[in-house]
Amino acid sequence: DAGVIQSPRHEVTEMGQEVTLRCKPISGHDYLFWYRQTMMRGLELLIYFNNNVPIDDSGMPEDRFSAKMPNASFSTLKIQPSEPRDSAVYFCASSLTGFGNTIYFGEGSWLTVV
Amino acid sequence: SQQGEEDPQALSIQEGENATMNCSYKTSINNLQWYRQNSGRGLVHLILIRSNEREKHSGRLRVTLDTSKKSSSLLITASRAADTASYFCATADNQGGKLIFGQGTELSVKP
Repeated sequence: DAGVIQSPRHEVTEMGQEVTLRCKPISGHDYLFWYRQTMMRGLELLIYFNNNVPIDDSGMPEDRFSAKMPNASFSTLKIQPSEPRDSAVYFCASSLTGFGNTIYFGEGSWLTVV
Repeated sequence: SQQGEEDPQALSIQEGENATMNCSYKTSINNLQWYRQNSGRGLVHLILIRSNEREKHSGRLRVTLDTSKKSSSLLITASRAADTASYFCATADNQGGKLIFGQGTELSVKP
């Protein structure tokens, strides 16, 4: 399997612009997670899905953030409008059975908002 | 929060030496996992230990879990320069809780 695939790998955007990050989980995995990593806050869970349904979005920082999973092989994380403090690495990850087992991470999307 | 806290924050050793990293957490857990992150890359799962297990091995890795002390350790034996990375522990509580990551230990192995 190709693993979890994220795009774009790197994005630089101006404050106020819309940012869309994309993720293709490992085929057959029922759980999909979005994490954000910063030096100050470490790795934070933003939201996770089970069978395409959002289960817990309590980690989403603000209404500017939204995530969707229209089907089992695709998810997006959108920031609108973006702000400089959103600069971070955003990881998508997937798992067969949720938090009780191995979680497979993508390589991350490195977002810089200027 | 039951976030794991790693100790030390940074560790520098010579190739061939053993590296030990510790993780402490706050509440009862279902399992504890260790991940590695190379610079600029995603996290890679190393090993998972369940709450009813005390020790697990995988190659040069040995993980111990002491639920009475709410702590775990990761031992890397005969370290190599390629082991240079950040190592994170992550815990999931025993009620289907979310996997929460610690701040990580940055390991540097000098050739």
